[in-house]
Amino acid sequence: TQLLEQSPQFLSIQEGENLTVYCNSSSVFSSLQWYRQEPGEGPVLLVTVVTGGEVKKLKRLTFQFGDARKDSSLHITAAQPGDTGLYLCAGDSGGGADGLTFGKGTHLIIQP
Amino acid sequence: GAGVSQSPRYKVAKRGQDVALRCDPISGHVSLFWYQQALGQGPEFLTYFQNEAQLDKSGLPSDRFFAERPEGSVSTLKIQRTQQEDSAVYLCASSFSGGPMDTQYFGPGTRLTVL
Repeated sequence: TQLLEQSPQFLSIQEGENLTVYCNSSSVFSSLQWYRQEPGEGPVLLVTVVTGGEVKKLKRLTFQFGDARKDSSLHITAAQPGDTGLYLCAGDSGGGADGLTFGKGTHLIIQP
Repeated sequence: GAGVSQSPRYKVAKRGQDVALRCDPISGHVSLFWYQQALGQGPEFLTYFQNEAQLDKSGLPSDRFFAERPEGSVSTLKIQRTQQEDSAVYLCASSFSGGPMDTQYFGPGTRLTVL
């Protein structure tokens, strides 16, 4: 069974601070995705990383895929209250028909 | 265009009742996925359809869970004789082709509470 562990589970910081959340696994994934989920809504895709060592930037968010394609990180610069939400990483084994394997998520609160 | 819609948004059932949850995927999307999200957890895969064919149902937790997509569009997840441990948010997602790089678009979910 492929498992994704996310840390920290909860994070509360002040507006303007920087933060990094992590997604780790003992398994190799063909791609890894990061989602943000707000209360009462479904997850919304932020980014997909595919190549080991890949770095993608989305405004103040920087995503990195580990060289061995087993782990990933999400760094947010100058966090804003609008960044508040549940951040989920999800791995795709590449089979297409298996669905995604999700971590338990990081609950992020940005206080004004 | 319209996204994935699910109904009802909330469902309260007494233990032992049967429930049916509906998913309307994005028009033209071939693939449809169902996930179960317990409180404070990430979604867990239940089952996958490509058109009307159910290609993977390995995530269904018991034979009380049944899903169908008879015409390759709308899907229904049915849970028979509901138990308290079935309480969760049930998410539906669709994608254009279902390939490994294909984006899955999620609906808002149905929150099921079993009393």
